[in-house]
Amino acid sequence: DIQMTQSPSSLSASVGDRVTITCQASQDINNYLNWYQQKPGKAPKLLIYDASNLETGVPSRFSGSGSGTDFTFTISSLQPEDIATYYCQQYDNLPRTFGQGTKVEIK
Amino acid sequence: EVQVVESGGGLVKPGGSLRLSCAASGFTFSSYSMNWVRQAPGKGLEWVSSISSSSNYIYYADSVKGRFTISRDNAKNSLYLQLSSLRAEDTAVYYCARDVRGDVWGKGTTVTVSS
Repeated sequence: DIQMTQSPSSLSASVGDRVTITCQASQDINNYLNWYQQKPGKAPKLLIYDASNLETGVPSRFSGSGSGTDFTFTISSLQPEDIATYYCQQYDNLPRTFGQGTKVEIK
Repeated sequence: EVQVVESGGGLVKPGGSLRLSCAASGFTFSSYSMNWVRQAPGKGLEWVSSISSSSNYIYYADSVKGRFTISRDNAKNSLYLQLSSLRAEDTAVYYCARDVRGDVWGKGTTVTVSS
């Protein structure tokens, strides 16, 4: 199985800050990587697919980059409504493994 | 509106069975692969199973292989997950999600396995 190592597990930042989350795959996943946002009690929401493509309707402050095994998710200017847990997921191989999640809080 | 709606969750005793359903609307269901993903209380997301658009390809996580069965009825725009030999560790919210990208998710249905 491909292991997805996501870091940090949590972070606290101020409104307007730039926030970065990393996800490392245990092998090359050919950029088949999603980033999801999950708010408490809600279903996950797709933000980024194929490592860097912004899903329709998602604000442009969210972005993804990387290739091979190393990927980055960025919120360029943190907003109060961005408080959530963020997950990466690879879909290059089965099982389609998720990272352990990053909980983002407002400082 | 594109949406999927899960149902069928509930409280079941260890060793019991349950059938989850996912009703799709607003898109051509038969054109998409579908997935089940679960989330145990306070835990992260776990992929459970996937089925191709015409049911030719079916995959399971090792944790549920031999106990869960995924199926679909394209005429009814519905996805199913038959859960058998349930264990306490199967307690979770079960989500239905569209496509390999997981671009459409339902609100989930809760399965609780407890005596």
